[in-house]
Amino acid sequence: DGGITQSPKYLFRKEGQNVTLSCEQNLNHDAMYWYRQDPGQGLRLIYYSQIVNDFQKGDIAEGYSVSREKKESFPLTVTSAQKNPTAFYLCASSLGGWDQPQHFGDGTRLSIL
Amino acid sequence: GENVEQHPSTLSVQEGDSAVIKCTYSDSASNYFPWYKQELGKRPQLIIDIRSNVGEKKDQRIAVTLNKTAKHFSLHITETQPEDSAVYFCAASITGGGADGLTFGKGTHLIIQP
Repeated sequence: DGGITQSPKYLFRKEGQNVTLSCEQNLNHDAMYWYRQDPGQGLRLIYYSQIVNDFQKGDIAEGYSVSREKKESFPLTVTSAQKNPTAFYLCASSLGGWDQPQHFGDGTRLSIL
Repeated sequence: GENVEQHPSTLSVQEGDSAVIKCTYSDSASNYFPWYKQELGKRPQLIIDIRSNVGEKKDQRIAVTLNKTAKHFSLHITETQPEDSAVYFCAASITGGGADGLTFGKGTHLIIQP
């Protein structure tokens, strides 16, 4: 969806380094989400935020951190504590609530140098 | 937590035939079931969704059915075309308890043979 922008498209991380993935949306959506996708796997929820200044852990939050200081932005930091960070990271947004469609950005592919 | 199983992992059909992908879920509190199509290296795109208060929904060649008693839902694609080739994911969302986000199946690689 043109309203969700993820950057960069490709990112490389050195050992012991933290990296931050950007996600911006101009859809005026309240809720934002981060998912991780590994080859041959479905998407797994890392963190989600239903409102500014509030966020919740998903199924695989260990080694990741997020912030939600603005409605439009939900950056994800992959910390050095995440021992297997190589994956395709997808950001999504929705109007919020359990039955609202989630729309995805184009993703960031993170690799280890 | 919720667990979603998806079958088959790979499905090959002749162009023009129908394709059916099935998913089961574990949490009876799940009430929203979207289906996404993902082409290689691209974002998942929502193709159809269904809420628990209906049993079937159609959109042109695509339909989804839901059986809440049996806790399974299926995607049906009729008159398949080459552009239907992709990976399809089912998902389930639960309501209440502060939960949010989707639990996804592992995907079905649909191959349309010419």
